[in-house]
Amino acid sequence: QVQLVQSGAEVREPGSSVQVACKASGGTFSTHGISWVRQAPGQGLEWMGGIVPIVGTVNYAQKFQDRATITADGSTSTAYMELSSLRSEDTAVYYCARGGQFWSGLSLKPNCFDPWGQGTLVTVSS
Amino acid sequence: EIVLTQSPGTLSLSPGERATLSCRASQSVSSSYLAWYQQKPGQAPRLLIYGASSRATGIPDRFSGSGSGTDFTLTISRLEPEDFALYYCQQYGRSVTFGGGTKLEIK
Repeated sequence: QVQLVQSGAEVREPGSSVQVACKASGGTFSTHGISWVRQAPGQGLEWMGGIVPIVGTVNYAQKFQDRATITADGSTSTAYMELSSLRSEDTAVYYCARGGQFWSGLSLKPNCFDPWGQGTLVTVSS
Repeated sequence: EIVLTQSPGTLSLSPGERATLSCRASQSVSSSYLAWYQQKPGQAPRLLIYGASSRATGIPDRFSGSGSGTDFTLTISRLEPEDFALYYCQQYGRSVTFGGGTKLEIK
């Protein structure tokens, strides 16, 4: 049973950066994608991007192309999402989830999101 | 980008009733790569349905998904008190997008 555990809440000033970690346990890490989704207070779910560690493929939603960096460390089964040039509108709960794509052995295939991490609240405030 | 439109925005029903939630896509969703998630306050979303109609592990059979192309439906046959929550559809066949959500509330 795969479990995803995220790093703790963060408070950042506008213009700074934040990095959120997502550690996987209980399953195969490298062949399955890890995606990042955020949810602003009272709002819906917004996909930011994802990575498939075994092939190093990273995809971003166009909105986050210039500010988000998603990486993965197979040796620790941990994925990271860094968001730069923070502004107040980036205040949200950030989730990681297993999914987006997976490596079938021959090609990348789409995959739904399951399970999800517990979420990390990032607050951007001066 | 495939835009997903969920309706209604809010659905008010009583326990024991049948709930029908709609998700319409701006373009055809390839190979029915359409999923439904449930989210309760303060919790992460939980996968209910994938591939438009396959129930995820541990999901009760009162939840069912149907549809193809651009029109998809989540049906809850007999509402239990714990089913009142937010529901999101998602397409994951061409990049990833989520619908705006449907709030299922107790009438």
